[in-house]
Amino acid sequence: GESVGLHLPTLSVQEGDNSIINCAYSNSASDYFIWYKQESGKGPQFIIDIRSNMDKRQGQRVTVLLNKTVKHLSLQIAATQPGDSAVYFCAEIPWSSYKLIFGSGTRLLVRP
Amino acid sequence: GAGVSQSPRYKVAKRGQDVALRCDPISGHVSLFWYQQALGQGPEFLTYFQNEAQLDKSGLPSDRFFAERPEGSVSTLKIQRTQQEDSAVYLCASRGLRETQYFGPGTRLLVL
Repeated sequence: GESVGLHLPTLSVQEGDNSIINCAYSNSASDYFIWYKQESGKGPQFIIDIRSNMDKRQGQRVTVLLNKTVKHLSLQIAATQPGDSAVYFCAEIPWSSYKLIFGSGTRLLVRP
Repeated sequence: GAGVSQSPRYKVAKRGQDVALRCDPISGHVSLFWYQQALGQGPEFLTYFQNEAQLDKSGLPSDRFFAERPEGSVSTLKIQRTQQEDSAVYLCASRGLRETQYFGPGTRLLVL
């Protein structure tokens, strides 16, 4: 099948371990941040979001951390599973805008 | 309910041919977006509709690209006189009352 990310940075983790995917965003005026998961041959799938007035938000097995001082976003996945293997994109929306601005993506490979 | 759907899923066109790509957003979603995703890259914004009004077409790469949403629901992205550099995945996303954009599976266009 088609490969979403041929030359993306890759994170390889053992099944059951925790994963941390990092992203540096560009616009200090960005107000809203989202993590998307994209499997090969599919569209981006929403995982979790966070607003700029928050530092941390938790979902089911996922946590997003936002550090506005250094314009850094991270996605933590607990107990990583084979089904988590995909390309992960962070995206930002500047204040008063509607356009998603995507980061470059990270490929997550889960070793059985 | 059903998510965003797109058709066709795959399209092979000869250079110079016109193509039309269809997007069915989530029912009731007022906002609709088109993005273009090159291999190994994150999606890039093309155009934005609010109901039937095209409020932003700043991302369309040339005047060969045209999008419409005449009844405020289904949208069509048309590319005239396709060129090889138009080969990409074309993604449609829709948005309800919150900022989260939900993506369809994309149309993979290959121009030969």
